[in-house]
Amino acid sequence: DTEVTQTPKHLVMGMTNKKSLKCEQHMGHRAMYWYKQKAKKPPELMFVYSYEKLSINESVPSRFSPECPNSSLLNLHLHALQPEDSALYLCASSQVGIQNYGYTFGSGTRLTVV
Amino acid sequence: AQTVTQSQPEMSVQEAETVTLSCTYDTSESDYYLFWYKQPPSRQMILVIRQEAYKQQNATENRFSVNFQKAAKSFSLKISDSQLGDAAMYFCAYRYFLETSGSRLTFGEGTQLTVNP
Repeated sequence: DTEVTQTPKHLVMGMTNKKSLKCEQHMGHRAMYWYKQKAKKPPELMFVYSYEKLSINESVPSRFSPECPNSSLLNLHLHALQPEDSALYLCASSQVGIQNYGYTFGSGTRLTVV
Repeated sequence: AQTVTQSQPEMSVQEAETVTLSCTYDTSESDYYLFWYKQPPSRQMILVIRQEAYKQQNATENRFSVNFQKAAKSFSLKISDSQLGDAAMYFCAYRYFLETSGSRLTFGEGTQLTVNP
């Protein structure tokens, strides 16, 4: 299995809703990442997990709450989002300490906040 | 801070022709890695080619090759025999390792490539 699977593919939520994005990989990667991507822009790093511990938080607002319950699973919990949070959310994974293999990305969740 | 610059927001090429996408980067690190990713309308980020900074030899993957100029901090992508399926947004990316906080992958602004039949 050489894929990163993200669910759901599309999500529409109201500003008062609570929802979660899910990311799963079975490649044995011990680093996982959340990126936010606006249309026609590059992905922007949000969070990095290394060995299931949060190692980087790029000053993301607290309405985004990441969770890494095990080495294969990464969640992003969403609460009280704003319309400007509408974007493509990409999950990625990689080996730790093997830098030349790049990241493997999922196909993303298209989030619309109404 | 490490930055990646792609100066060509859009490029177009005729099918079967060759096109070169430019990328420059700024870093004070000596050990790092460079990548080109492709993002078609399906949104999947696909790794096209990678280059280790310590290697002088330019990487090649089938129709894709790079021109890596470390002193100039330049990393261009050449696509030969362009195909319609090559149409996508191409991102240049730089990866480096931080001892205390894992690795970071930083992207350029992207180049939208159109392939004309």
